[in-house]
Formats: sequence, C-alpha cells, structure tokens
Amino acid sequence: GQQLNQSPQSMFIQEGEDVSMNCTSSSIFNTWLWYKQDPGEGPVLLIALYKAGELTSNGRLTAQFGITRKDSFLNISASIPSDVGIYFCAGRRLNTNAGKSTFGDGTTLTVKP
Amino acid sequence: GAVVSQHPSRVICKSGTSVKIECRSLDFQATTMFWYRQFPKQSLMLMATSNEGSKATYEQGVEKDKFLINHASLTLSTLTVTSAHPEDSSFYICSARDRGPHQPQHFGDGTRLSIL
Repeated sequence: GQQLNQSPQSMFIQEGEDVSMNCTSSSIFNTWLWYKQDPGEGPVLLIALYKAGELTSNGRLTAQFGITRKDSFLNISASIPSDVGIYFCAGRRLNTNAGKSTFGDGTTLTVKP
Repeated sequence: GAVVSQHPSRVICKSGTSVKIECRSLDFQATTMFWYRQFPKQSLMLMATSNEGSKATYEQGVEKDKFLINHASLTLSTLTVTSAHPEDSSFYICSARDRGPHQPQHFGDGTRLSIL
C-alpha cells in the first residue's frame, strides 16, 4: 500500500532556529496536508497543498508540494517554545475511496528556550 | 474554520463495559468520517472509514464486532468499543471531511480511554 516516509523522526532545537521536515513517497499524491498535534489533543491542520510546485505560507510556516508530487516539506522559521509538538504530513490521491489520507509517522519537535 | 467535536474527552471504566464515543461536525456536513487509534508516541492508525447511511469500511486487523461504528447523519458518527478490556485502552481520534475533492480532514480533540 501507499506509505509515507517522514523525517526526521525528532528534532531538538534552540528557540529562534529554523526547522525543516519532509515527507517522501513512492506514490504520487494530489493533495499534501500538514498537521500539528499537541499532547492529549487531536491534530490541527496547518497547511493544505493542492498543486504540484505550490508554495504556501501560514505565518512562520511554509510548505511546498513537490514537483514530482511524491514529496512535500514544511519549514518553520524563528521557532518559539509553543511550536513544540508532533507534526504529521498526510498525502491523498484524488480518487482514493472516501478521500482517505495516508499519514507519515510524525516529527516530534522540541524547542529549548 | 471547520470544527469537529468529539465527546467524551476522557473515559475511565471497568473491564467488560461498552463505551460510546461521539464525533460531530459542527459547521459542515461530513459524508465521510474516519476513526483513528493512537498509541503513545506513535502515528495515527486508521481503524475504519465511516460513511453516512452505509456500513463502515474497516481496516485490516480491526474487529468490526469489537468496534461498532454508526454514521446515522451527516454530522454525527459514533464508535462503540464493546466489552472493553485493558488492551483497548488508547487514544481514539475521529476526523471528518466536508464534501468536495479538495477538502482536508479535520480532527476532533480525541478521547482518552482507560479500561481498568
């Protein structure tokens, strides 16, 4: 089946540093989504990407839909302590039954003040 | 933005009890809802896809008689963990999508289920 490889698995950074994480797949996706999950809560949608090559920002977050449609990255600039959490990528194919997304294993981000 | 409400947020009950978790889309109609299970420090594991007015589609290895799903309306899906045992203790999260090919999934806040 479809699998997403998300890396890195975890990151420990200093406040103010920039962060980059990515997802790759052997399959083509028509949609890429990035979510953040805080402890004990459900994931929250950060950015949705619908076109190959699309670059979208949401505040300090920037994500891109890879040209090959097999990858996506998420950048966080000038990290702050509240950026701590688990970030998940998700890919979806256009004709997937019920619009089911495939999720990466997550990147756990720790920000030291 | 799209809001998905999940209730209850936490359940603690005795072994053998059946537990029902509700998932509601508050400001959109969701023909499809998804139920996930998440173990500590792990990713989301899709259990089943809930379709309004029809039977749920379960992922391989998920017991449909153990995890009963009902999607009776366009805004409500329920997951019932029947005769729960300690190994069913986990974090259960629902997700819903609005209609249309480009609508993303939105998640509820999850339910922490603890079976004693």
